Formats: sequence, structure tokens, C-alpha cells
Amino acid sequence: KNQVEQSPQSLIILEGKNCTLQCNYTVSPFSNLRWYKQDTGRGPVSLTIMTFSENTKSNGRYTATLDADTKQSSLHITASQLSDSASYICVVLPGPPTFGRGTSLIVHP
Amino acid sequence: ETGVTQTPRHLVMGMTNKKSLKCEQHLGHNAMYWYKQSAKKPLELMFVYNFKEQTENNSVPSRFSPECPNSSHLFLHLHTLQPEDSALYLCASSQDKIANYGYTFGSGTRLTVV
Repeated sequence: KNQVEQSPQSLIILEGKNCTLQCNYTVSPFSNLRWYKQDTGRGPVSLTIMTFSENTKSNGRYTATLDADTKQSSLHITASQLSDSASYICVVLPGPPTFGRGTSLIVHP
Repeated sequence: ETGVTQTPRHLVMGMTNKKSLKCEQHLGHNAMYWYKQSAKKPLELMFVYNFKEQTENNSVPSRFSPECPNSSHLFLHLHTLQPEDSALYLCASSQDKIANYGYTFGSGTRLTVV
């Protein structure tokens, strides 16, 4: 059964600190892995898309890594801001996509 | 704006009402999806349409009725809902149902059933 497991379930950090979110998957076949940010009550917005051959990809303060051998991905957020408070969802394709349960991040001033 | 527009943004309806949710995309995508997201739960796939044809119905109760008149529009018709149907309903679209490219969500409709 295709599964995507995310950890931690929730995380609280202080503004300006860094953090790393984890995603492990068992989806096969694998096409690409995406990280989405979902603000409360809004639809998910894509942050990064990682294909099989990519190890690292950055989007501003967000850096995603992918290890296709161990089927693990991480999302690193640098110098966190209050606006980073959201749910971060790991999604694995091809579709229909397999979704993780998300990590709820709260950034405190 | 993501290119996928959902209306209304918020909806409150009684259990005997009939209402419809609308989703529209002008990204040139051929596949469209309805998802349900309840509080503190992952996204649940409800329906998949590919080139206007329904390709997946994830055991959704018949009180939810989808309609896809063309590749750009998707509706979810609601009737005799239950309070447990209150949730965020998200529409998404992708180039095709394999979704290797361009998987985009709308902002969602927050539905409350009273």
C-alpha cells in the first residue's frame, strides 16, 4: 500500500530559528515528490517539486532534499518568519497523488 | 491566485438544502479533482475527472454528486448533507490524471452543515 509518513506531526519554533521537516514514502512507482504549504482554511500551494534525479532544490528560504534510495525527503526552513506558520504537506506522484498527513508548524515571535 | 478558482469561499447550509460548489481552471489542464479535508485529517480524494470523464469515485456517498461539463469546469452538487460533511472542499487540476506535471489546488470552499 502506498503511504507517505511525515514527522513531526507538529512543531513550535521561535522566529528566526531554522527547522527541518521529514517525509518518508513507500509509493511505487515514483515520479516526483512535492512539498506544499497550506495556510489555515486555504488550499495547498506548491513550494518545491523533486524528481528522481534531483537531490536538492531551493526556493528562497525553503530547501528540499530527496534520497530516492532510502525514499526520504526533508524540507528545511531557514530563518523562520511568522508567516511560515502553516501546515506543510508532502505529496508523492504519479497520481492520483499520495498525501502525507502534514506537519503543523507554528512560529512564535 | 493559483489559476484554480473555487466559489463560494464559504457556505453554510441546512441538512435539507441543495447547493453546488464550483471550480474553474484556465491552465489548460485536462484532469480535475475534488478533495475533502476535515479538521486535523489528511486530504481525502473524492472524485477524479480526466478529459470530462469520471475515472475515480472514492466510495463517496450519493449525497455528493459531481459534474464536469468540460475540462475547465467542475461542480460538486450537494443535497441532504449531514453535519459530519462540514469540511474544507478543495478542487485541484493537473495536466492529466497521471499528474506528473502541474498539480494545482484552488483555495477551497469552507462548508458548514447545520
